[in-house]
Amino acid sequence: EIVMTQSPLSLPVTPGEAASISCRSSQSLLHSNGYNYLDWYRQKPGQSPQLLIYLGSYRASGVPDRFSGSGSGTDFTLKISKVEADDVGVYYCMQALQIPRVFGPGTKVDIK
Amino acid sequence: QLVESGGGLVQPGGSLRLSCEASGFTLNQYWMNWVRQVPGKGLVWVARISGDGSTINYADSVKGRFTISRDNSKNTVYLQMTSLRGEDTAIYYCTKRMSPNLALVLYDKYYYGMDLWGQGTTVTVS
Repeated sequence: EIVMTQSPLSLPVTPGEAASISCRSSQSLLHSNGYNYLDWYRQKPGQSPQLLIYLGSYRASGVPDRFSGSGSGTDFTLKISKVEADDVGVYYCMQALQIPRVFGPGTKVDIK
Repeated sequence: QLVESGGGLVQPGGSLRLSCEASGFTLNQYWMNWVRQVPGKGLVWVARISGDGSTINYADSVKGRFTISRDNSKNTVYLQMTSLRGEDTAIYYCTKRMSPNLALVLYDKYYYGMDLWGQGTTVTVS
């Protein structure tokens, strides 16, 4: 089973500033088709999770371009270019290469 | 949308069947998953089923106890849970993920993440 880790686990942010979350997998998530099977999800307080990024770097439909995903193999990053107050929540990465799907422990983003 | 139901309070060793009713899209074009979350904790993938029901996978923690199924004619996915344990207590979310062929047509990729989640249904084993 692939193990997913995230850092930091807590991230206080200032509105208007950039924020970055790291995600690492115990095995490469690079598929033979050239894509990295890594998703990012955000769970706002009291809500269900929502898809932000798929295949490591592709924004899901309707996701603002303030959100970007990067990385390959075992190291990935989610960046929020200009944090807004509405961005608070817990951000999870998830490997989608193998069964079982595994989520990272989550990074809680809140406003300073 | 996805609407889960069937959660509740059950004794250890008991059974429960969760339902997830889909609307607004053609269910047979989507893989369906169940993901659970202990309140205040992280997300844990539980099971998945392909659009035609031919491929099914489970997390080791529920294998042999939980059964995922679907009835596309009723736009509904199910999770039959038996031999329930205290550690099964969680909010259970139903999620959809488009089939590789649909993702290829819509997004020119063979994969698109879990793009719709239900509101969740709470299962308490006590």
